[in-house]
Amino acid sequence: EIVLTQSPGTLSLSPGERATLSCRASQSVSSNYLAWYQQKPGQAPRLLIYDASSRATGIPDRFSGSGSGTDFTLTISRLEPEDFAVYYCQQYGHSPRNFGQGTKLEIK
Amino acid sequence: QVQLQESGPGLVKPSETLSLTCYVSGYSISRAYNWGWIRQSPGKGLEWIGSMSHSGSIYYNPSLKSRVTLSLATSKNQFSLKLRAVSVADTALYYCARDFGPMPWVGAYMDVWGKGTAVTVSS
Repeated sequence: EIVLTQSPGTLSLSPGERATLSCRASQSVSSNYLAWYQQKPGQAPRLLIYDASSRATGIPDRFSGSGSGTDFTLTISRLEPEDFAVYYCQQYGHSPRNFGQGTKLEIK
Repeated sequence: QVQLQESGPGLVKPSETLSLTCYVSGYSISRAYNWGWIRQSPGKGLEWIGSMSHSGSIYYNPSLKSRVTLSLATSKNQFSLKLRAVSVADTALYYCARDFGPMPWVGAYMDVWGKGTAVTVSS
């Protein structure tokens, strides 16, 4: 099973700043089949990015995904107050699909 | 707009069977897509349990395969999860979701999620 390691565990930033979240896989993710989700307290995860860099329907363009192989990045260009949440990466290029442990993005 | 809603008992005794149902509105599950279950606990994070296709193919997480049964009830537009011989380790928030992916037999991402239902395993 592929292990996904997200860093940092917690990221403290202010609204308007740029956020860079990392997801590293223990082996290359086939076809860059990697997704990113946002989860707010009391809510289900919400799909942001799939196929490493494609934005899901309705996701603002301040969210972008990049990377390939074993290293992937989620970037939020200018943080809005509603962006402070926990973010998870998930790979679906190998069975079983699995998730990283999450990065908490908190207001500084 | 596709919506999913989980239902089931919030408390299950150890060694018994956990049964959950996901009702889908806004889309006929018999048309397409795979439909699956994910759980979330403080100790294990997000964990995919299994998925099944609209045509009946089923994919399980090997770590849970021996205890899980998935089923589809297309006439009711719902699908179900049964997890046998539960223990405290199965205490979690359980989500149903719609799968989307080019190789569902390998994996998929989840583009629509239910709100989740909390299940506690305790005597």
